Amino acid sequence: QVQLQQSGPGLVRPSQTLSLTCAMSGDSVSSNSAAWNWIRQSPSRGLEWLGRTYHRSKWYIDYAISVKSRITINPDTSKNQFSLQLNSVTPEDTAVYYCVREIVEAGSNNWFDPWGQGTLVTVSS
Amino acid sequence: SYELTQPPSVSVSPGQTASITCSGDKLGSKYASWYQQKPGQSPVLVIYQDSKRPSGIPERFSGSNSGNTATLTISGTQAMDEADYYCQAWDSSTAVFGGGTKVTVL
Repeated sequence: QVQLQQSGPGLVRPSQTLSLTCAMSGDSVSSNSAAWNWIRQSPSRGLEWLGRTYHRSKWYIDYAISVKSRITINPDTSKNQFSLQLNSVTPEDTAVYYCVREIVEAGSNNWFDPWGQGTLVTVSS
Repeated sequence: SYELTQPPSVSVSPGQTASITCSGDKLGSKYASWYQQKPGQSPVLVIYQDSKRPSGIPERFSGSNSGNTATLTISGTQAMDEADYYCQAWDSSTAVFGGGTKVTVL
């Protein structure tokens, strides 16, 4: 059974960098049949996909256009985990952040399962 | 950008059928997934590839997708099914979610 364990601070100052890590058990960040995503949820924006990383002979990364200039997602094969960094945060980045496994099949037959426990990150001075 | 639209709320009596719609341009040409979220918990996958149920999801959950609308149906709704439900599809390598539907079991 795949489990995702998130870690990182719950409070970030405006203009600083939000950093979260997601460690997995029961699967590999290098899996050829999965991708590793960050999704956030807030009352104002609902569920918002932020980006993903996956390995298919080499590493690929996709980012949402809305955060593309500020986001970095990195895999760490030595620790079997992946991370999220979001730069120059504002109060609008306050949300619950989830790391999520995406199960990949041919074409666009992909779905999210399971989700991490979620981390409430508040951006405030 | 691609958008998915859900009704904000659906009410259903115990034992009856709840239908939750998700509308998007040519959604039937994509695959839809559905997620259930109870208060204070992370979302849980209940339907993928339009109509498939993951292991452990009760048979009363079913899905369909055609034209511009995907539908999640809960047959014989139980009190434990009271939750928020979100549809999701992919568009140009970007995951898109609907705004969510709160299902209330009266």
